[in-house]
Amino acid sequence: SQQGEEDPQALSIQEGENATMNCSYKTSINNLQWYRQNSGRGLVHLILIRSNEREKHSGRLRVTLDTSKKSSSLLITASRAADTASYFCATPSNTGKLIFGQGTTLQVKP
Amino acid sequence: DAEITQSPRHKITETGRQVTLACHQTWNHNNMFWYRQDLGHGLRLIHYSYGVHDTNKGEVSDGYSVSRSNTEDLPLTLESAASSQTSVYFCASSRTTGEFSTDTQYFGPGTRLTVL
Repeated sequence: SQQGEEDPQALSIQEGENATMNCSYKTSINNLQWYRQNSGRGLVHLILIRSNEREKHSGRLRVTLDTSKKSSSLLITASRAADTASYFCATPSNTGKLIFGQGTTLQVKP
Repeated sequence: DAEITQSPRHKITETGRQVTLACHQTWNHNNMFWYRQDLGHGLRLIHYSYGVHDTNKGEVSDGYSVSRSNTEDLPLTLESAASSQTSVYFCASSRTTGEFSTDTQYFGPGTRLTVL
């Protein structure tokens, strides 16, 4: 069953605006990771947030985690055309595998 | 620099043929994974390995096989290719795994396979 579900499935914004993507999951987790995938490329790790953290920053990225709601959000501030990509959340399953959501496709228009 | 590579990057084959996709990593990671990515399904795990001579089935393993004879390589074989196996295939590796692992997965560039 799907562990992570991203919302929205697609998002289109203007350069300079902020982009927010959400991820919901079903079971308790130790950590949650976000990955980015540029068109025609493999996934690249962006950021990891542990279950005892509520918020984490990395450059223009801000990730929040609400374990009571089993949800996480990824905020990209001051978006650029180069941020155009698909973004996936991923959580470790109880058998150790990383389970990926279906992703949010972000388009940033110049 | 350490890396993970896949070959070929693009492959066209015919139904019924055996196809092998290569994955090679120089991270010296114990864990390697094969995924397929299709529109509407996201990433789905095909097979994975936690070390040499270890292989495990993922959620969509039917029609695929892997073998792990060394740390660096995990080739994926389609025994008899079917049109339903047309997809983009990604290999990934990680140092450790487990419910409490904080290790990230490093992905290869992908192989686009078309089965006619």
